[in-house]
Amino acid sequence: DTGVSQDPRHKITKRGQNVTFRCDPISEHNRLYWYRQTLGQGPEFLTYFQNEAQLEKSRLLSDRFSAERPKGSFSTLEIQRTEQGDSAMYLCARDAGGGTGELFFGEGSRLTVL
Amino acid sequence: GDSVTQMEGPVTLSEEAFLTINCTYTATGYPSLFWYVQYPGEGLQLLLKATKADDKGSNKGFEATYRKETTSFHLEKGSVQVSDSAVYFCALLGASGGSNYKLTFGKGTLLTVNP
Repeated sequence: DTGVSQDPRHKITKRGQNVTFRCDPISEHNRLYWYRQTLGQGPEFLTYFQNEAQLEKSRLLSDRFSAERPKGSFSTLEIQRTEQGDSAMYLCARDAGGGTGELFFGEGSRLTVL
Repeated sequence: GDSVTQMEGPVTLSEEAFLTINCTYTATGYPSLFWYVQYPGEGLQLLLKATKADDKGSNKGFEATYRKETTSFHLEKGSVQVSDSAVYFCALLGASGGSNYKLTFGKGTLLTVNP
């Protein structure tokens, strides 16, 4: 158990619909990350939070994407007007502490856009 | 920018064979280096890490040595088991202020070990 729960595990949607993913880390008030993984590729950084503050966003995160972490606990990642290119596994991870690169990943939320 | 290059997969070995998965990196300064593993049906998990040149990370019989002169962090295991079948990812954590908060991953190498 990595202490990171993600929901839903799988989401199939039609192009143009909005989707939201949720991440619940076991511990609060530390760094939380979102990554995206497409087939045959390694995870790519999307964004991260320190407590409730979103400190960095990748260029991969277009204006159709928005992430929040109210109160520094759970986080949500919303994709508006989904496109087929958004199909991927969305991974959430919590920091082991101290920004050492040791991350605990959830099992991911797989998005399929038809 | 930072980047990681891993050997192309897939890799198929027989049980008890020797494993090497090559990884090289490009980064400024002295990044920290990692191997993450993804077993079938599970999330990514840290396998081992090294934070400075000549450090050797080890775990579960796997080893990797941080080679600054060759910018490499090759993963090795002397005798693989069927249970080692997984996807292995090399990753780095940048040392500079603009990248020291995010991991940069390679594309991953699928390892299949046959009995």
